[in-house]
Amino acid sequence: EDQVTQSPEALRLQEGESSSLNCSYTVSGLRGLFWYRQDPGKGPEFLFTLYSAGEEKEKERLKATLTKKESFLHITAPKPEDSATYLCAARSRMVLTGGGNKLTFGTGTQLKVEL
Amino acid sequence: DGGITQSPKYLFRKEGQNVTLSCEQNLNHDAMYWYRQDPGQGLRLIYYSQIVNDFQKGDIAEGYSVSREKKESFPLTVTSAQKNPTAFYLCASTHVGGNTDTEAFFGQGTRLTVV
Repeated sequence: EDQVTQSPEALRLQEGESSSLNCSYTVSGLRGLFWYRQDPGKGPEFLFTLYSAGEEKEKERLKATLTKKESFLHITAPKPEDSATYLCAARSRMVLTGGGNKLTFGTGTQLKVEL
Repeated sequence: DGGITQSPKYLFRKEGQNVTLSCEQNLNHDAMYWYRQDPGQGLRLIYYSQIVNDFQKGDIAEGYSVSREKKESFPLTVTSAQKNPTAFYLCASTHVGGNTDTEAFFGQGTRLTVV
């Protein structure tokens, strides 16, 4: 069974204090690892897609990396506006009835950045 | 601007009532999905549709129904058979192409509360 586990569940940082969020995955044949940002009461906003081990993507203060078992979302010098829940999802090669590949979400890391 | 529009933002349901959540996309995506989000749990798949006039049950379809009469629209009905419908509902879509789907784009969600 495909599984995606995110840690920590919650993280509190001071402004400027860099850290990393972890996403461990067990899926049959990874077809993409996705990171999203979700603000309270809103839908998830797409950040990155990673496809193969060693791949990295960057956007402003965020950098996502991928290994064969996990992905990290590194946050460099965070600001209060980076506070949100960060979701990770893995798409496997398992084909759903009717087409498409199964996408499994983690439970998210709730990040709070304080002044 | 292309995107996914969910309505209403907030919905209140009385016991024994059916309610319908709207989801419209203008991204020209083939595949559409409905997820349920509860605190402390990852997004769970309710129904999905890869093409018009075809849809499949996801992991938690009991008490829900959908239709896909148009490519742009994928409404979700929460029936009285759903015993615990209070949750945040998210609609998503993906482009289907090549070996796999693209990243999922999400609407802003509908918060359903039973009163």
